[in-house]
Amino acid sequence: GAGVSQSPRYKVTKRGQDVTLRCDPISSHATLYWYQQALGQGPEFLTYFNYEAQPDKSGLPSDRFSAERPEGSISTLTIQRTEQRDSAMYRCASSSGMGTNEQFFGPGTRLTVL
Amino acid sequence: DQQVKQNSPSLSVQEGRISILNCDYTNSMFDYFLWYKKYPAEGPTFLISISSIKDKNEDGRFTVFLNKSAKHLSLHIVPSQPGDSAVYFCAASGGGGSNYKLTFGKGTLLTVNP
Repeated sequence: GAGVSQSPRYKVTKRGQDVTLRCDPISSHATLYWYQQALGQGPEFLTYFNYEAQPDKSGLPSDRFSAERPEGSISTLTIQRTEQRDSAMYRCASSSGMGTNEQFFGPGTRLTVL
Repeated sequence: DQQVKQNSPSLSVQEGRISILNCDYTNSMFDYFLWYKKYPAEGPTFLISISSIKDKNEDGRFTVFLNKSAKHLSLHIVPSQPGDSAVYFCAASGGGGSNYKLTFGKGTLLTVNP
């Protein structure tokens, strides 16, 4: 696609429910990143994929958070048993991975946990 | 502990004047620095970057300066235009094999008044 897309753009859920967020990166990009951005803060790294491999998930806040990219393109971020502190903007980015640090960001998914 | 700091939450300048946005970092392993610009309801978009082997990079109205000894970088916009009004994030990467991971500051809201 022309850019990184994310869905849904907004998600409101009740505490304890599971949510799954989707990211569709730029089609030629090998590398995909997930960030969490709290209000008034910059994005914070969660995890990344190089094609379908997930070399680093050190930024995931707890084992309730998981991410997949099974075919090396679309990725999902799943939060199980959501808590109010999970409320944030979740941003996906992709890069060509060809030695460039420039990452292209999607519009984000605003998650609100009631 | 914030490794990338943008100490000015906001900045207001007149159209045509220079805007200077500042960023400090603490991790001496960072070797690549980026500025992102963000409009409301959109994801951050890449603006300009600089490698630690340089002390200046210029792209049109935008110039980034890097002072490694002071662990400080700045973004200069000359002349400033109302369309430049946005949140500007400073980001850094590098060191310890983590050159894929961007560490962001909290952002500075720039307002350019006509």
